Amino acid sequence: GENVEQHPSTLSVQEGDSAVIKCTYSDSASNYFPWYKQELGKRPQLIIDIRSNVGEKKDQRIAVTLNKTAKHFSLHITETQPEDSAVYFCAASKYGNKLVFGAGTILRVKS
Amino acid sequence: DGGITQSPKYLFRKEGQNVTLSCEQNLNHDAMYWYRQDPGQGLRLIYYSQIVNDFQKGDIAEGYSVSREKKESFPLTVTSAQKNPTAFYLCASQVGETQYFGPGTRLLVL
Repeated sequence: GENVEQHPSTLSVQEGDSAVIKCTYSDSASNYFPWYKQELGKRPQLIIDIRSNVGEKKDQRIAVTLNKTAKHFSLHITETQPEDSAVYFCAASKYGNKLVFGAGTILRVKS
Repeated sequence: DGGITQSPKYLFRKEGQNVTLSCEQNLNHDAMYWYRQDPGQGLRLIYYSQIVNDFQKGDIAEGYSVSREKKESFPLTVTSAQKNPTAFYLCASQVGETQYFGPGTRLLVL
């Protein structure tokens, strides 16, 4: 079955710097890759997603890139702010099936 | 997100007791999921259902049971066989490829 690995497990950045979180997946048939943000004690919320027919997608300060050949995708957050501090999860699925999640990355933005 | 509700917000279980966590959605989504999240950990899949009257075990189904008698409801029972049930339980529903989460239930053992 699908396996998703996520790195790093913890990331600290200075406010205003960029943050990059990387995920790799094992099943080349996976075609949907969402990213979720979870604030302390809250539910995970979808912040951006990408499908396998697209290489990059951007939404304001957040972007996701996908390399199908290497089977990895990354979340990029520019101009980080304290409110970006949270746990971020990547995931992968194929054809609308269940999501397989990465282990999560704790992002701390220091002001 | 707003169309998925979970209750109660906090639940206390005594040893040997079965407890049921509620998950309801009014989004007309076919698929629903239950995850367990331990402190500082990721999301582990307990059970999922892609259609009414059908469900499949996830990665950590032992000690849990579910039913899916109605499209909008997917209750999770934590049985006495689950020896370490303290965790944050998240329900989700899915339309197409996109999954949306409920607010969660925090289960604590007395």
